[in-house]
Amino acid sequence: GAGVSQSPRYKVAKRGQDVALRCDPISGHVSLFWYQQALGQGPEFLTYFQNEAQLDKSGLPSDRFFAERPEGSVSTLKIQRTQQEDSAVYLCASSLVGRAANTGELFFGEGSRLTVL
Amino acid sequence: KNQVEQSPQSLIILEGKNCTLQCNYTVSPFSNLRWYKQDTGRGPVSLTIMTFSENTKSNGRYTATLDADTKQSSLHITASQLSDSASYICVVSAGGSGTSYGKLTFGQGTILTVHP
Repeated sequence: GAGVSQSPRYKVAKRGQDVALRCDPISGHVSLFWYQQALGQGPEFLTYFQNEAQLDKSGLPSDRFFAERPEGSVSTLKIQRTQQEDSAVYLCASSLVGRAANTGELFFGEGSRLTVL
Repeated sequence: KNQVEQSPQSLIILEGKNCTLQCNYTVSPFSNLRWYKQDTGRGPVSLTIMTFSENTKSNGRYTATLDADTKQSSLHITASQLSDSASYICVVSAGGSGTSYGKLTFGQGTILTVHP
């Protein structure tokens, strides 16, 4: 596809359920980022992949959050035992260059809106 | 802690008018500053990227300025259109070395509403 694709766009989960959010970056993009955006706030960094390597997971709020990118393309963000405070929009972004290049254009997906009841 | 503060939180203007959004940051060391436009329910879209050596950059009706000494940036929108209604987010990238290099810190955004 032409852009970053995320699915599902909307997810409603009962507290305690596990969820998986998918990100399809732009083909050939090296860097992939996950962000969490609460209502009315800017995105907060969760984790960063360079190809299949997870180089930075310092933003993951707890060990219930897990991300992978096993073949260096599609990525999945998994949240186990969801809590109400996990309700947010989860944004995925990709960049052609590695984060070290630092001025690489970042392309965002539309986001996955998670609501935990 | 690296922070990016934006003002105002929200702004309402009439179509055709100009406006200026502000961004102050404490990210150090600094590498570059970006402005993004985020329409409701969509992902952010890049407007400009400026490094410390650039103090102004334009993209159509959008002009961003950067003062790396005072750690301030502004986004000026000229002749606003209804489609400019969105959240405008200031993002600063860290420089230096180590794991923080290239890490982006996002502001909370300014919500701009353009009325006809």
